[in-house]
Amino acid sequence: KNEVEQSPQNLTAQEGEFITINCSYSVGISALHWLQQHPGGGIVSLFMLSSGKKKHGRLIATINIQEKHSSLHITASHPRDSAVYICAVRSRYGGAQKLVFGQGTRLTINP
Amino acid sequence: DTAVSQTPKYLVTQMGNDKSIKCEQNLGHDTMYWYKQDSKKFLKIMFSYNNKELIINETVPNRFSPKSPDKAHLNLHINSLELGDSAVYFCASSQGDWDRSEQFFGPGTRLTVL
Repeated sequence: KNEVEQSPQNLTAQEGEFITINCSYSVGISALHWLQQHPGGGIVSLFMLSSGKKKHGRLIATINIQEKHSSLHITASHPRDSAVYICAVRSRYGGAQKLVFGQGTRLTINP
Repeated sequence: DTAVSQTPKYLVTQMGNDKSIKCEQNLGHDTMYWYKQDSKKFLKIMFSYNNKELIINETVPNRFSPKSPDKAHLNLHINSLELGDSAVYFCASSQGDWDRSEQFFGPGTRLTVL
């Protein structure tokens, strides 16, 4: 089992719907990133979180360190939000650090 | 202006060849990275360089070697290419380490080994 699990793996919704993508991890972390990969392949960093909540436009990311869980929300979804969303964490194993990526959530927003 | 650029965008080569992918960032960042995305779209970090010092080297074959001539460049050299090296390789940069700031990604280089 991967140390970072995302759900759902695939999500299809209608334009305007509220979207939630979840990321759970099983290791201690120093930071969590949400990335967006467009259909053309380009990758954009959306958020970096170590605690609490961040908002950027229609996107909101939250993290609960105790529960080892983060969520990415999209309000008033639009077809241009269609992309793969990737959660990634920097984990700590004693003195060593490791970067671990989730398998991605493919989001499709239909007009 | 392109923040993180990679060349070439596509690279098709024969097994056994040696090739390089170049990466340049004009953001003044002090940390650069190489990532590999396989055919299943799974992203993995390969290298992380900070101030010309390697700080993360995941379990990558030693056929892969990062070369940083200066803070703005981190090139990826691959020797004796194998079929399994076919993937998309992304370069990225950030100011400070991975857990301090967001990353800026290059457009990717699709490597196909025949």
